[in-house]
Amino acid sequence: DAKTTQPTSMDCAEGRAANLPCNHSTISGNEYVYWYRQIHSQGPQYIIHGLKNNETNEMASLIITEDRKSSTLILPHATLRDTAVYYCIVGYNDMRFGAGTRLTVKP
Amino acid sequence: DTGVSQDPRHKITKRGQNVTFRCDPISEHNRLYWYRQTLGQGPEFLTYFQNEAQLEKSRLLSDRFSAERPKGSFSTLEIQRTEQGDSAMYLCASSPLVTGQVIDEQFFGPGTRLTVL
Repeated sequence: DAKTTQPTSMDCAEGRAANLPCNHSTISGNEYVYWYRQIHSQGPQYIIHGLKNNETNEMASLIITEDRKSSTLILPHATLRDTAVYYCIVGYNDMRFGAGTRLTVKP
Repeated sequence: DTGVSQDPRHKITKRGQNVTFRCDPISEHNRLYWYRQTLGQGPEFLTYFQNEAQLEKSRLLSDRFSAERPKGSFSTLEIQRTEQGDSAMYLCASSPLVTGQVIDEQFFGPGTRLTVL
């Protein structure tokens, strides 16, 4: 079973920041937090990952709480092409995807 | 195109038949993963290889499923005696092996959609 809890769906206005939460209260010390997204009919796409420090790349920022029990993926300026299912995954030797959050970016 | 490729993209078969899917990973990626995805669900891990060695298999991988990566390059996933419940998207992913990090960024292929009638 997935070790994460995410809202089923979220909406975001185009051009605004999208903040996607994830709870992983049972995370263990050596497990990373990964985010992937899946656009309809395509394979998942890697976004970002982190262990305990906040991370930023060209796609997004990842904020991990100090106790590591939750995290937030931030898309700073959402576009219509960011509409997808976003998966938060916790893992060490393998990855267990949950059902993810369906993000809809609206004009 | 230097991404992960999968063949075929679609497969329709009758219950009881055997099917085989192929995955070509990104060149020089040591790790190769197979996942299964059903409608409305996230991908479910099936198995993964590091070079030619199959290091982990999910309990989802019944005896009817077998995966190989004979030369550490492409991989095949075979399903014997297919059942209607095997209908799903089968995804392949590959990743490089980076020292000091257990799981690296996985690059996914487009998937093979299997329909068992």
